[in-house]
Amino acid sequence: DSGVTQTPKHLITATGQRVTLRCSPRSGDLSVYWYQQSLDQGLQFLIQYYNGEERAKGNILERFSAQQFPDLHSELNLSSLELGDSALYFCASSVAGGFGLLNTEAFFGQGTRLTVV
Amino acid sequence: SQQGEEDPQALSIQEGENATMNCSYKTSINNLQWYRQNSGRGLVHLILIRSNEREKHSGRLRVTLDTSKKSSSLLITASRAADTASYFCATVLNQAGTALIFGKGTTLSVSS
Repeated sequence: DSGVTQTPKHLITATGQRVTLRCSPRSGDLSVYWYQQSLDQGLQFLIQYYNGEERAKGNILERFSAQQFPDLHSELNLSSLELGDSALYFCASSVAGGFGLLNTEAFFGQGTRLTVV
Repeated sequence: SQQGEEDPQALSIQEGENATMNCSYKTSINNLQWYRQNSGRGLVHLILIRSNEREKHSGRLRVTLDTSKKSSSLLITASRAADTASYFCATVLNQAGTALIFGKGTTLSVSS
């Protein structure tokens, strides 16, 4: 158990709809990262929050947004869903603000499997 | 964008054999990390090697790093069926970067 909790585990929704994925980081971790994993694109970094503030952006679509709350949990909002958004969405956390200068590891949740029909 | 690229994409071996996976990356790094993912599950950190280290061991895992060639390798010795998983290398895009960027991974299948 990594200590990172993601809910829900599975989500099936229709095209055009909006969903919210939730992530609770490990106790004490200030950074939350969101990743999308699909068969054709691999594991793509979407966005990072550190202590409530956006820290880095990756390949996140404009239809997607995220936030981190004062209790450090994070939510990823996906709107106007398309069939191609079907994927596994992972949240990861780390104690530090990033990996570039510090030798820290990431702890991953079990993911939310989103199916858009 | 990909920072690390693993090779081979897929590897099938028998129990007891060694498995070697390679990773190449593009920019200078402070560290490189390897993760494992069992099918449909979250990634699990295996080992971190710093840029000033050339080799690191952890149990049956051996990681090497060649910064001059911008490459790393992960060796799993005496493989077991339970080692069947996908293996990813990860680093950051540049030293100012914050998020880990993953390659597409090597899928290892160990048969008994």
